Amino acid sequence: GDSVTQMEGPVTLSEEAFLTINCTYTATGYPSLFWYVQYPGEGLQLLLKATKADDKGSNKGFEATYRKETTSFHLEKGSVQVSDSAVYFCALSVGNTGGFKTIFGAGTRLFVKA
Amino acid sequence: DAGITQSPRYKITETGRQVTLMCHQTWSHSYMFWYRQDLGHGLRLIYYSAAADITDKGEVPDGYVVSRSKTENFPLTLESATRSQTSVYFCASSEGRADTQYFGPGTRLTVL
Repeated sequence: GDSVTQMEGPVTLSEEAFLTINCTYTATGYPSLFWYVQYPGEGLQLLLKATKADDKGSNKGFEATYRKETTSFHLEKGSVQVSDSAVYFCALSVGNTGGFKTIFGAGTRLFVKA
Repeated sequence: DAGITQSPRYKITETGRQVTLMCHQTWSHSYMFWYRQDLGHGLRLIYYSAAADITDKGEVPDGYVVSRSKTENFPLTLESATRSQTSVYFCASSEGRADTQYFGPGTRLTVL
């Protein structure tokens, strides 16, 4: 079935370090892919998305490229800040005549130290 | 205020009681969703709605009831709360079925 797998956390980095959070997926159709971020005490909010193969989503210095050949959508940032400390969720949405679904990964907690 | 709101933000109840969590959105989005968030499980879909008077089950619907008489509201009812329903509940909405979802701030529910 359809699924999303993220690297387990927590991930702890020093400020200005390079960030990668891995995400791979399985899907029967042609999914849209998303990264959401959840700051402490808040709901999830969209960070970036990509709707077809080879698309690159970007926002606030974060980037992710939709790689159909490796079924991946890894999140990267060149230089993290303390304010990036949050939980990051990879997600896919896929629809067909039988219905649609949005599936979230388990989330990866990021701690950034000053 | 524009956006998506949830109430109450915090709720403590006892086993067997009925509890209703409210969700309201001002964008006139067609789709609305209820998720629960638990450690080790991430987000799990409870119910969703494609439009007023149209609802469907998600991954974990047992013990929950939803209704959607108006586009902007999507209440979630626990008819007889159990301890396993202690969780953080998030409501979300989206314009299209596979579009970006916009989340409310969440309701932390504790069932004693």
